Amino acid sequence: GENVEQHPSTLSVQEGDSAVIKCTYSDSASNYFPWYKQELGKRPQLIIDIRSNVGEKKDQRIAVTLNKTAKHFSLHITETQPEDSAVYFCAASYLAGGTSYGKLTFGQGTILTVHP
Amino acid sequence: SAVISQKPSRDICQRGTSLTIQCQVDSQVTMMFWYRQQPGQSLTLIATANQGSEATYESGFVIDKFPISRPNLTFSTLTVSNMSPEDSSIYLCSVEGSSGSYDEQFFGPGTRLTVL
Repeated sequence: GENVEQHPSTLSVQEGDSAVIKCTYSDSASNYFPWYKQELGKRPQLIIDIRSNVGEKKDQRIAVTLNKTAKHFSLHITETQPEDSAVYFCAASYLAGGTSYGKLTFGQGTILTVHP
Repeated sequence: SAVISQKPSRDICQRGTSLTIQCQVDSQVTMMFWYRQQPGQSLTLIATANQGSEATYESGFVIDKFPISRPNLTFSTLTVSNMSPEDSSIYLCSVEGSSGSYDEQFFGPGTRLTVL
C-alpha cells in the first residue's frame, strides 16, 4: 500500500519568513495530493491540493509543487503569520476517474510555529 | 461543502466496555470514512463505509473490534469494542463533498475517547 513520509516534524520560523514542508510517497499510481491544516483541538481542514496533471498550484500565500518522477511534493507558505501556526498534514490518494478520492494516506505531520 | 456532526464529542470510558460513535452528514454521500488519530499522531484510516455493503477495513483493523454500520446515505456509526487504554484516540469520520469544481474530503469534528 501507499506510504507517505513527511519532513520536518517540527518547523519554527519568524513572522514574515517562508516555510516549506516536504512529503514523499511510494505508490506511483497516486494522483491526488491534498494538504490539511489542523489547529489545536480542531478538525483537519483542506488548505490546498494538487492533482498529478499539474506541477504547481498557488492560492495566495500558499503553494504546492509536485514532482511525479521523484514522487515528492511540497507545501510552501510565504509571508508567514502567527495564525499559520498549526499542524500540517500531507496526504496521497488514487483518483480512479470521476471525482471519488477514496481513502487518504497521511504523512506524519509537521508542527509549524510562527513567532511574532 | 458537507456539514458533518459527530456524537459524542468526547467520552471517558472504562476498559472492557464499548462505545458507539455517530456521524451525521447534511447531504447524501456514497462513501464515508472512519479515521483514528492517536495523541500527537497522524490520521490513520480504519475503514471505508459504503451504504448497502460491508465496510472495508484497513490492515490492522478488524470488524470485531470496530464494527461499522451504514444504514443510509447520511449516517454511519463506528463502535469501539472491548476498549483498552490503547484505544484512547480521536475518532473522525469524513465524507467527500463538493467545493466548487472538485470534490474534497471533509472531516467531522471528531470524538475524543479516553479509556481508563
